[in-house]
Amino acid sequence: QSALTQPPSASGSPGQSVTISCTGTNSDIGGYKYVSWYQQHPGKAPKLLIYEVTKRPSGVPDRFSGSKSGNTASLTVSGLQAEDEADYYCNSYAGSNNLIFGGGTKLTVL
Amino acid sequence: QITLKESGPTLVKPTQTLTLTCTFSGFSLTTSAVGVGWIRQPPGKALEWLALIYGDDDKRQSPSLRGRLTITKDTSKNQVVLTMTNMDPVDTATYYCTHSPYPGFYFDYWGQGTLVTVSA
Repeated sequence: QSALTQPPSASGSPGQSVTISCTGTNSDIGGYKYVSWYQQHPGKAPKLLIYEVTKRPSGVPDRFSGSKSGNTASLTVSGLQAEDEADYYCNSYAGSNNLIFGGGTKLTVL
Repeated sequence: QITLKESGPTLVKPTQTLTLTCTFSGFSLTTSAVGVGWIRQPPGKALEWLALIYGDDDKRQSPSLRGRLTITKDTSKNQVVLTMTNMDPVDTATYYCTHSPYPGFYFDYWGQGTLVTVSA
């Protein structure tokens, strides 16, 4: 099973919105509701931002939102802040008891 | 409060077997509703899911590493153990232990990670 496809980089100015895509197939993203997103700052463990495509854990700001259309999931960060600069990873259930991650996107706040 | 912490060797030789222990607190791994997973990240690279075990002893493993991985739990010690055989330098990575609610297939609590280097 290949990794999910994410753009290597994304950027935006403070206050703007940025959307990060995560493309898979109908055997993973397109076939299940189990898409999650993680934020990772340098030298730190990843942090869960979104699970089951659109759900946000308590404590995660509502500036972070998730969606899915067909085989592509998206993470939108609204009202960009300096602390949002980090790496972002998507993850999806891929059937047959398999989970796959995307290659990661480095978000730069200009 | 849920916490997880990984422990094990920081250096292993090629062909050796790696044994990592995840010691957790704040939950019990005795029901099917809760799982503990392992995820690794080579330096400068992406995350890779390795394995997951639920409280009812249901186990899931990455197909790409099947045959090399074993995941077990010791509920009396609140521990999950991951073993990986035939280690290779490409297995050099930070290994994370995680909490995973069933059946969401997501990881809501993470350990700090432990860096394992494979080198002769």
